[in-house]
Amino acid sequence: EDQVTQSPEALRLQEGESSSLNCSYTVSGLRGLFWYRQDPGKGPEFLFTLYSAGEEKEKERLKATLTKKESFLHITAPKPEDSATYLCAVQAAGTASKLTFGTGTRLQVTL
Amino acid sequence: NAGVTQTPKFQVLKTGQSMTLQCAQDMNHEYMSWYRQDPGMGLRLIHYSVGAGITDQGEVPNGYNVSRSTTEDFPLRLLSAAPSQTSVYFCASRNDRALFFGSGTQLSVL
Repeated sequence: EDQVTQSPEALRLQEGESSSLNCSYTVSGLRGLFWYRQDPGKGPEFLFTLYSAGEEKEKERLKATLTKKESFLHITAPKPEDSATYLCAVQAAGTASKLTFGTGTRLQVTL
Repeated sequence: NAGVTQTPKFQVLKTGQSMTLQCAQDMNHEYMSWYRQDPGMGLRLIHYSVGAGITDQGEVPNGYNVSRSTTEDFPLRLLSAAPSQTSVYFCASRNDRALFFGSGTQLSVL
């Protein structure tokens, strides 16, 4: 069974204090690993898709990396507007786009 | 381009009542799906469709029905609501890059 574990559950950073969120996964043949951002009362917003170990994607202050067992979402010099819950999901090969989600990391960035 | 549109945003039902959650997308995506989100749990797949006329069950299908008569619409039906169906429901559609979500329906069953 596919599994996704995210850590930490919650993270509080000061503005400018860089850190990383972790997503560990087990899947029978990775077809894609996805990162989403979710604000309170909103639907998940797509950030990145990673397909193979060694791949990296960047968007503003966010950088996602992938190994064979985990993915990291690095946040460089975060701002208060980066506060949100970050979700990780995996898709196994041959699963018709079914994603398995982790429970998320709740990030709070303070001034 | 509105993306994925869900209605209603909020709904309160009594146990045993039925209702339909509406979902429409204007991106011409073949794949659409319904997820529910509960505190402390990841998003869980209820039903999905890979095209008009084709639907299949996800991880937690019991108590829910779906149909797909057009590419644009994918309604989710609760035939006899139960308190265990209190949740936030998200509809999503997918292209070859990622899954894109609607803004959700918060459902309470009393």
